[in-house]
Amino acid sequence: EAGVTQSPTHLIKTRGQQATLRCSPISGHTSVYWYQQALGLGLQFLLWYDEGEERNRGNFPPRFSGRQFPNYSSELNVNALELEDSALYLCASSTFTGRETQYFGPGTRLLVL
Amino acid sequence: TQLLEQSPQFLSIQEGENLTVYCNSSSVFSSLQWYRQEPGEGPVLLVTVVTGGEVKKLKRLTFQFGDARKDSSLHITAAQTGDTGLYLCAGMYNQGGKLIFGQGTELSVKP
Repeated sequence: EAGVTQSPTHLIKTRGQQATLRCSPISGHTSVYWYQQALGLGLQFLLWYDEGEERNRGNFPPRFSGRQFPNYSSELNVNALELEDSALYLCASSTFTGRETQYFGPGTRLLVL
Repeated sequence: TQLLEQSPQFLSIQEGENLTVYCNSSSVFSSLQWYRQEPGEGPVLLVTVVTGGEVKKLKRLTFQFGDARKDSSLHITAAQTGDTGLYLCAGMYNQGGKLIFGQGTELSVKP
């Protein structure tokens, strides 16, 4: 069974640009979660989507947004990029709604110059 | 604000030694997960514990969940160089999908 997949693996942007990151969950999983892992800060919860709706949001500004498509894949958009947005962005998926074990993808490394 | 304190942050041992990593909180978890992460990769699930007092074994790794579901430990017996990596504990607090992660334990096992 295929795991969580993410694309692209690496992304280089300049300050002020927009970044779009993509995630495909494990087949059968309806919930998708996004986390940011910045150097020295650990993993921080960003967003949770389930059945196409945003269910919960971490302590991040509104320029971090996303959506979930009917096939349960998800997109994370980061607008007006800042240097401190440079991080590994991890997507996870689970069955049901927010209480089940989360399985992570390999991540997208975003570098903002 | 829920916090998850993980210790130690760094651990360097010789092959064959035993070690324990701790994860503590003042809040009660609904479940707790342990992951291992290699540099530049996503965390890989090792185990999920949900019942207070639960003990799970995965080969040389033993995971315990405290009776009150506020703490957990990971014990590795006879560590091998292949155990080197970042170990993360993550707790779920019944708050809708959000995993709270500890700071991680960077383990280095030397031959």
